[in-house]
Amino acid sequence: NAGVTQTPKFRILKIGQSMTLQCTQDMNHNYMYWYRQDPGMGLKLIYYSVGAGITDKGEVPNGYNVSRSTTEDFPLRLELAAPSQTSVYFCASSDGGRQETQYFGPGTRLLVL
Amino acid sequence: QKEVEQNSGPLSVPEGAIASLNCTYSDRGSQSFFWYRQYSGKSPELIMFIYSNGDKEDGRFTAQLNKASQYVSLLIRVSQPSDSATYLCAVRDDKIIFGKGTRLHILP
Repeated sequence: NAGVTQTPKFRILKIGQSMTLQCTQDMNHNYMYWYRQDPGMGLKLIYYSVGAGITDKGEVPNGYNVSRSTTEDFPLRLELAAPSQTSVYFCASSDGGRQETQYFGPGTRLLVL
Repeated sequence: QKEVEQNSGPLSVPEGAIASLNCTYSDRGSQSFFWYRQYSGKSPELIMFIYSNGDKEDGRFTAQLNKASQYVSLLIRVSQPSDSATYLCAVRDDKIIFGKGTRLHILP
């Protein structure tokens, strides 16, 4: 099992450019999440999904969009990149429930200049 | 605003000693509590979860939960240099909220 995979690993964007961060999981999990982690900080939830076709905003959704057309994939779209979006982005998946264990992907490091 | 508070550290502990990591949370309705370990440059991985008051032990790790005091802790016994990492406390009600993490440094 590959678990949770993310692409790309690293990207440099210019201000105003757009990009999509890809996330795929092969564990048949219903729940998927996108977090960002700034240096020395914890994880902040951007968006999450409880199943295909269902998404909801987290703590810091502004400047981002998501879609969930399949159980496996949960891409994160950045429109009009800004320096404040420089961060490490983690995708995670889980089977939900009280004893939920989130499995994280390796992360995407994004630099906006 | 629901909050999860942790001392950022670094917490320095001699090898072989007990490392004690603490976390407080603001939402009394929180149901589940998690400890994740994150090595530098890597993604978080779950160490333990707990949802009942008291202690839960797993190998060298013990999670302690006190809902009345809104306090959860992680004890690492016989600490090893490989335990040096950032430890993230997470609390779940309808969503999971992560603390900023405590950096732990085990001194050889």
